[in-house]
Amino acid sequence: EADIYQTPRYLVIGTGKKITLECSQTMGHDKMYWYQQDPGMELHLIHYSYGVNSTEKGDLSSESTVSRIRTEHFPLTLESARPSHTSQYLCASSSRLNTGELFFGEGSRLTVL
Amino acid sequence: AQRVTQPEKLLSVFKGAPVELKCNYSYSGSPELFWYVQYSRQRLQLLLRHISRESIKGFTADLNKGETSFHLKKPFAQEEDSAMYYCALSGRTGNQFYFGTGTSLTVIP
Repeated sequence: EADIYQTPRYLVIGTGKKITLECSQTMGHDKMYWYQQDPGMELHLIHYSYGVNSTEKGDLSSESTVSRIRTEHFPLTLESARPSHTSQYLCASSSRLNTGELFFGEGSRLTVL
Repeated sequence: AQRVTQPEKLLSVFKGAPVELKCNYSYSGSPELFWYVQYSRQRLQLLLRHISRESIKGFTADLNKGETSFHLKKPFAQEEDSAMYYCALSGRTGNQFYFGTGTSLTVIP
């Protein structure tokens, strides 16, 4: 079934650790996005990609990095996690043929102690 | 700069009452406007977009370019409408989407 998957769903980790949040979609979408979601705050775009080998930073300054080596895969990496990185991270994808509809994953809730 | 403003963080209405969730935007160009919804324990999903001019689950939204608003309305709220609602904007290229802070709607039985 076509879907977008995020792992892990929940992660509690200590300061200074390297973490990678995985995002995969089987929808054949060209565009993928990472958003940061905090209660009472707008969803902040932190990274996006138009296709393979294409990545851009969003409006929110982020210490994370992303890669897009395969169309279906868009992992987000934090080299050294800090408590300020504690948040919900949402991955989304969209088709360039149907601009406007973002398909979201279930999210990865990261807690950095 | 692109901005989406949702002035109400929380909104409570009684079942059967009309509901309006406000959204104002600023954008230097011709934006596309959307409403996304997140029900409890579910993913964020598209509710409706302005170019479709459709009614979804009884909700409608009209783009008012003069007032730069895109308010979401429903004449008779139902309990299952309780959710978090986000107004969103994208440019014509559709490469970036900007979301508001969201409004948590509670429909009281």
